[in-house]
Amino acid sequence: DTEVTQTPKHLVMGMTNKKSLKCEQHMGHRAMYWYKQKAKKPPELMFVYSYEKLSINESVPSRFSPECPNSSLLNLHLHALQPEDSALYLCASSRSSGTGKSYEQYFGPGTRLTVT
Amino acid sequence: AQTVTQSQPEMSVQEAETVTLSCTYDTSESDYYLFWYKQPPSRQMILVIRQEAYKQQNATENRFSVNFQKAAKSFSLKISDSQLGDAAMYFCAYGSNTGTASKLTFGTGTRLQVTL
Repeated sequence: DTEVTQTPKHLVMGMTNKKSLKCEQHMGHRAMYWYKQKAKKPPELMFVYSYEKLSINESVPSRFSPECPNSSLLNLHLHALQPEDSALYLCASSRSSGTGKSYEQYFGPGTRLTVT
Repeated sequence: AQTVTQSQPEMSVQEAETVTLSCTYDTSESDYYLFWYKQPPSRQMILVIRQEAYKQQNATENRFSVNFQKAAKSFSLKISDSQLGDAAMYFCAYGSNTGTASKLTFGTGTRLQVTL
């Protein structure tokens, strides 16, 4: 099973709302990622979790707050977003390695976020 | 820092024909991984093929193959017997190890159209 699931598929929120995006994988991967993708652009890395610990934060504004409750779940909590935060948010997972290997990442279908 | 360049914003191929998508990258590392991902209009990012830099043999996956030229830092994707379902955005990605996770650097993408 190489599936990464994301909920919801679509989300519309106001600038004062608080919402959360959810990502789940059951491949036994210990590395999970959040990306932001604007239309016709490549994904931009936001956060990397490795063994449930935040290992990379690509200078993302604090209105985005990631959480990794366990090895299968990854959440992205959203608060006080701006209209320019509207985008496709992709979750991915991969095997984890300390031996220099860079394993392929498996992506979920994404959440289309619109901030009004 | 690594960079990935895809110089063809759009390509078109007739059904059953062969097309080659170009990708070049820049790195000072000697051990790394390269990937091609496909993102159809349905938006899910799908891994097409991977290449490990220490392997001289070019990777193949059914109708998809790569031409990996390490010295030239070139990593092109050849799609043979093109099908309508191959229409998508194709991203070339460079993979490096962050310690326990992998970090992907994406090119800007090539949109492939498949015509009858």
